[in-house]
Parts: sequence; structure tokens; C-alpha cells
Amino acid sequence: SQQGEEDPQALSIQEGENATMNCSYKTSINNLQWYRQNSGRGLVHLILIRSNEREKHSGRLRVTLDTSKKSSSLLITASRAADTASYFCATDNAGNMLTFGGGTRLMVKP
Amino acid sequence: DGGITQSPKYLFRKEGQNVTLSCEQNLNHDAMYWYRQDPGQGLRLIYYSQIVNDFQKGDIAEGYSVSREKKESFPLTVTSAQKNPTAFYLCASSSGPTSGIEQYFGPGTRLTVT
Repeated sequence: SQQGEEDPQALSIQEGENATMNCSYKTSINNLQWYRQNSGRGLVHLILIRSNEREKHSGRLRVTLDTSKKSSSLLITASRAADTASYFCATDNAGNMLTFGGGTRLMVKP
Repeated sequence: DGGITQSPKYLFRKEGQNVTLSCEQNLNHDAMYWYRQDPGQGLRLIYYSQIVNDFQKGDIAEGYSVSREKKESFPLTVTSAQKNPTAFYLCASSSGPTSGIEQYFGPGTRLTVT
């Protein structure tokens, strides 16, 4: 089952612009994680936000979580060409079993 | 890709043949996972193991089998019963099965069955 759904499915921006990706989910969660995947590679963990947190920062990344709306957003500020990748949200309902969304494909043009 | 290795990177098989994908980790992690990714899609859980000699089915276990005889190793066999085995397979591990722990992923194996 696919709990998280990312929006948009694809996003193209210029270097220096901000990129915002959204994730919606259906059932209650313990936490939500964001991962990045470069083309043809494995996933890399970016950030984890717990259900009792509303916002978290890590470098140029800002994640928000609204449990009342069952949604999360990932903001990448001052994007770089190297940020080009697919970004996935993953919800953790219990026991670290992650359910991944379909991903947002981000292209940052130099 | 952390301390997880998957081999080979590309694998080609004929229809009707079983094939085993390797996953090894040197992170001393208890939990290991296998995911399948189809083009343009997210990851779907095939099997997971929270401890040696124990494993559980994920969302799409039909046509797959696993073993966990050693902490470091979690091989996945794609059997001939899997109707559409061509996909990108990702192995991951985490320090435990409890909630709120990040997963570390290997580089993946791209399996093509013709």
C-alpha cells in the first residue's frame, strides 16, 4: 500500500530558487521521513520529523508536518544543480516499517 | 550508500529462472529490508527482518523468498513464480526495528528478466 503521495510529481526550477514538495498521507503516523534518490542510486536519508513536531530544519532543508491535515512539506532553499534528484516521503506507522510515496522528481537548471 | 553493498549492479535472467540478489551490511544493524522500485514509482516493501533467523512478509512478498542466517547478510531470491520480476531492487538496514530510526540503503540491483 502507498500511504504517502507527493505533489507535484515533477518540478523544474532555476538554480537559486526555492523548491517546495508536498506529501499527504492517510493514516496516523509516528513520524515522517524524507529521502533523496539520485538517478539509478540508493536512497539517502534527509530528515525525520516526529508526530509531535511541527517544523524541523537541516541546513538548506526545512520540513513541516501538519498532523491535522495529514500532510508534510519539504522546502529546499537556494537550490543548486546538485539538488537534482527524486525526493520521497516515507511514513512510519509502527516498528520502523516505512511506507513510501511515489516521489517528486526535481530538476534544478544551472 | 553507507555500509551496505548489493551485487551485482545489473542482472539479466531468462524467464523461468530463479535468481538471488545479494545484500551485505557492515553497520552491525539488526534490521534489514528489501524493497522493489518500478520506473517512476516509489518503493514497495517485499520482506523485512528484525533479527537473525527471523523475517516477515511485506506488502508484495509473493514470488520472493529471503533468508537471514547471518546478521550481515539478507539475500533475496526472485523465483519463477514472480510474474513481473523486472525492477530495481533496493536493500536497506536500520539499527533496530523501533520507530523513528533512519534506514540506510544500498546502491541497488537492476534486474531484467526476458
